[in-house]
Amino acid sequence: AQKVTQAQTEISVVEKEDVTLDCVYETRDTTYYLFWYKQPPSGELVFLIRRNSFDEQNEISGRYSWNFQKSTSSFNFTITASQVVDSAVYFCALSEPSDRGSTLGRLYFGRGTQLTVWP
Amino acid sequence: EAQVTQNPRYLITVTGKKLTVTCSQNMNHEYMSWYRQDPGLGLRQIYYSMNVEVTDKGDVPEGYKVSRKEKRNFPLILESPSPNQTSLYFCASSSRRGFGAFFGQGTRLTVV
Repeated sequence: AQKVTQAQTEISVVEKEDVTLDCVYETRDTTYYLFWYKQPPSGELVFLIRRNSFDEQNEISGRYSWNFQKSTSSFNFTITASQVVDSAVYFCALSEPSDRGSTLGRLYFGRGTQLTVWP
Repeated sequence: EAQVTQNPRYLITVTGKKLTVTCSQNMNHEYMSWYRQDPGLGLRQIYYSMNVEVTDKGDVPEGYKVSRKEKRNFPLILESPSPNQTSLYFCASSSRRGFGAFFGQGTRLTVV
């Protein structure tokens, strides 16, 4: 079973629209970390945010905001007033510190959401 | 500048010809990993290393080898590449639990 589910494979919006990317995760651990990464057309992975399981405060960074809800196991990402430069694949990821005693190099990724912002 | 460096960025090779993709980080991170990215599947972990001489399998280790003789380097070895190993590969490192991993630029491998 997927530990991280990004149900939206592709989303298209027109510039200046708001868009929300969904992420649902599954874990039995009480301590875990959630991440969002951006992969622009150039291919590199850009770290956007980390959230630990004890911090349910929403986060805002410029046009980006994240809504973490443990009750629904969701960590959704909203881009306000989208721009063409936001076009990319966005990945949600989960890290479980206690996973088989392995360290936290390990990330479980969702399959990604391709966001296209049209001018 | 903190970075993870992979080489080469692009590689086309033939089936069965051994190859190595290098990965080096300059942040003194203990933890390093290799992932492969395939369309519709996201990133899947191949191998990871908790420290020098300590490595373990990820989700898709078949056909790959790794070694961690030095803290900064974590090469990925394909002893006998096959076309199903055509993929985009990422190396990552992180310093401690839960911190966002730093990723290399990626290596696009094509096996014909």
